[in-house]
Amino acid sequence: QVQLQESGPGLVKPSQTLSLTCTVSGGSISGGDYFWNWVRQHPGKGLEWIGYISATGSTYYSASLQSRVTMSLDTSENQFSLRLTSVTAADTAVYYCARAVPPPGVVVTLDGFDIWGQGTMVTVSS
Amino acid sequence: SYELTQPLSVSVALGQTARITCGGNNIGARNVHWYQQKSGQAPVLVIYRDLNRPSGIPERFSASNSGNTATLTITRAQAGDEADYYCQVWEGRTGIFGGGTILTVL
Repeated sequence: QVQLQESGPGLVKPSQTLSLTCTVSGGSISGGDYFWNWVRQHPGKGLEWIGYISATGSTYYSASLQSRVTMSLDTSENQFSLRLTSVTAADTAVYYCARAVPPPGVVVTLDGFDIWGQGTMVTVSS
Repeated sequence: SYELTQPLSVSVALGQTARITCGGNNIGARNVHWYQQKSGQAPVLVIYRDLNRPSGIPERFSASNSGNTATLTITRAQAGDEADYYCQVWEGRTGIFGGGTILTVL
């Protein structure tokens, strides 16, 4: 079955760029009507949606983060990536990648996040 | 922006029924998804599109959605159901989560 695995540095300095990759195994990243998401969770807090990139490469980001976020797709490696610029301590969180698909026959919304990576902790500190 | 409101915590006696609510303006018109997150683990989808269970999720988990409240119901609560539970909707193309509810099984 499809599995997701996040990877990237666990420590990033303030003002630098956070870069994470999610590797998809057990299926093709572009083999269906998939939307590949990033979700983060600040320590002891709830879930925050960051954005998604579709299997065709279209992106949509959270309004609160869109000025600092870029997502990309690497179909040759079956991976998708997150870049978050100008990080501060407020970006310290566990970052998850997750998949969502549209309901059958529907294009205006998505179903829930059916597959998640295990998450990776990123600390922003000098 | 659209907001989802969940109680901070819910307690249930072992073997009894727990109900976790998720409030939102006319949430009944939206598809609501529910996640279970155990300590130190990634969230798991337990209900999608208001009332559907993914494969592998016990029938003890059910849900409803009407008016301004969606509800996740867990019958015959077990110690293993202790977790944080989140509701989630899509507002256009934006994913929105509720603040989460800590379920304690007594």
